[in-house]
Amino acid sequence: KQEVTQIPAALSVPEGENLVLNCSFTDSAIYNLQWFRQDPGKGLTSLLLIQSSQREQTSGRLNASLDKSSGRSTLYIAASQPGDSATYLCAVSPGWREGAQKLVFGQGTRLTINP
Amino acid sequence: NAGVMQNPRHLVRRRGQEARLRCSPMKGHSHVYWYRQLPEEGLKFMVYLQKENIIDESGMPKERFSAEFPKEGPSILRIQQVVRGDSAAYFCASSAGKRDTEAFFGQGTRLTVV
Repeated sequence: KQEVTQIPAALSVPEGENLVLNCSFTDSAIYNLQWFRQDPGKGLTSLLLIQSSQREQTSGRLNASLDKSSGRSTLYIAASQPGDSATYLCAVSPGWREGAQKLVFGQGTRLTINP
Repeated sequence: NAGVMQNPRHLVRRRGQEARLRCSPMKGHSHVYWYRQLPEEGLKFMVYLQKENIIDESGMPKERFSAEFPKEGPSILRIQQVVRGDSAAYFCASSAGKRDTEAFFGQGTRLTVV
């Protein structure tokens, strides 16, 4: 049974710092891994998707890496801003045969960027 | 494209009542996934439906919960005889096909049982 763990559970940093959020998963047989952002009381916004054959993806100040063999992914946020404050969720898709959107989520990292 | 629409956004029910949550997928999408997010927890998969079919309900509680996705209209997640432990945010996601990797989530329905 796939399990996804995110560390730390909460993180508070001053504005401008670079930071890393961690995600680990127990079964390396994944279809893809996604990072989402969730604002309080809101839905999920997909940030980055890494296919199982890829090592990393970048979008603006965000960079996500994937090491399938070790069951780890990191989300790197450069030059953090107060607007980056949110909960960041990591999710893996076990395979398309089960439905590619049948995702297993971590519990999230609650990020606070202090002005 | 209005995106994935869920309603109501907030729902309050007394213990023992029924809750009906609706999810209208994006235009052209015929696959719907429901998730539940308990307070301070991550999202947990509940059920995967295609039009008129339940594909995978392995995450659904055995009693009181049911889901449908009729040929016409939104997908419905129904919770009968709600209890306080059902209080959570319920999200749905839609896709055009089984292999689609891009996730489109609705804003969620926040159910409070009093």
